[in-house]
Amino acid sequence: DTEVTQTPKHLVMGMTNKKSLKCEQHMGHRAMYWYKQKAKKPPELMFVYSYEKLSINESVPSRFSPECPNSSLLNLHLHALQPEDSALYLCASSREAGSDEQFFGPGTRLTVL
Amino acid sequence: AQSVTQLDSHVSVSEGTPVLLRCNYSSSYSPSLFWYVQHPNKGLQLLLKYTSAATLVKGINGFEAEFKKSETSFHLTKPSAHMSDAAEYFCVVSGRGSNTGKLIFGQGTTLQVKP
Repeated sequence: DTEVTQTPKHLVMGMTNKKSLKCEQHMGHRAMYWYKQKAKKPPELMFVYSYEKLSINESVPSRFSPECPNSSLLNLHLHALQPEDSALYLCASSREAGSDEQFFGPGTRLTVL
Repeated sequence: AQSVTQLDSHVSVSEGTPVLLRCNYSSSYSPSLFWYVQHPNKGLQLLLKYTSAATLVKGINGFEAEFKKSETSFHLTKPSAHMSDAAEYFCVVSGRGSNTGKLIFGQGTTLQVKP
């Protein structure tokens, strides 16, 4: 299995809601990543998990809370988001953090009303 | 520090004609370089990668790229464009030093393929 899966595909939420994005991989990769991508822009790194520990946080606001329950799963918990947080959220994985090739999931399209 | 410059934000070709997407990089380390493709509302798919083996790298869907250290370039080519090649293309360098674990993206090139 060489796939990264993400659920849901689409999410619409109000500014007071709490929701979660989920990412899963079964390639035995030990590094997982969250990216945010705005229209017509490259992805921006948010978080890196290495061996289930948070290793990089790119100064992301606390309304985004990542969680890595095990080596195959990565969640992104969302609370009190702003309309400007509307974007495509991409998950990726790699063999190890710093090993070069990252595999990307299809993304979750998030709309904050 | 590492950086990537994609020289064209938009490239338009006719179906069946060659494709050239240009990328220059800057890295004080021996670089690992990638081209990713993103179709509308999809994730990123790896087209090809250079990791200090052969300088001419062949990828999926007929794409290839040549690493030229003297020109710090890693241009992407395809002999004959297909309608399905219309997408956003990102040239990427792997971070080193303080950027280890990160991918450094170019701003992207939109490829339009006309029938």
